[in-house]
Amino acid sequence: LAKTTQPISMDSYEGQEVNITCSHNNIATNDYITWYQQFPSQGPRFIIQGYKTKVTNEVASLFIPADRKSSTLSLPRVSLSDTAVYYCLVGAALNQASNSGGYQKVTFGTGTKLQVIP
Amino acid sequence: DAGITQSPRHKVTETGTPVTLRCHQTENHRYMYWYRQDPGHGLRLIHYSYGVKDTDKGEVSDGYSVSRSKTEDFLLTLESATSSQTSVYFCAISEPLWDRGRGGYTFGSGTRLTVV
Repeated sequence: LAKTTQPISMDSYEGQEVNITCSHNNIATNDYITWYQQFPSQGPRFIIQGYKTKVTNEVASLFIPADRKSSTLSLPRVSLSDTAVYYCLVGAALNQASNSGGYQKVTFGTGTKLQVIP
Repeated sequence: DAGITQSPRHKVTETGTPVTLRCHQTENHRYMYWYRQDPGHGLRLIHYSYGVKDTDKGEVSDGYSVSRSKTEDFLLTLESATSSQTSVYFCAISEPLWDRGRGGYTFGSGTRLTVV
């Protein structure tokens, strides 16, 4: 299993772009990189997922270099509501040819606590 | 999240008593998971299931057992609760990863368990 390392915490002012980097030196060929967001008293929520290069959705961008040993979650123009813990998750899909694949034995790290300051 | 519910949401129990937490999904996903979350430890996998009656241990499985008799239900049992099992427990289901942009887990809202 690929171990991930993230900063424990980050502070940012409202309106700024925030980049959170995750290291995963032992990432395997079949592993995907997925980021989650968790607010207090809630379960984590999926933000974005990628395998290589760049992925963008309406919430964030994910940058993955060619060696895939790290990834960077980019949140554009953060607001106070983006204050949360962000988790980087690396894991492989199983049984991709079927209709019911999923991760197995993937453990979340401690995440990065992002505090957005007014 | 819609499609996955946990019960109860809160529970206080005494040391030594058995406790069962329930996770129910309506998404028909094959994979279901139980995590616990504690300050300083993030989310740690307790057990997971890859089908009816098919389960396996995670990294912190001691003191816990699980059962899955139906696709939609995944039960977590603490046979004899201890204070070290005071935690927030999350159930999750997983989606097919090749469904681009939607792959990964969907989590329930959590169960806060206090063992006194």
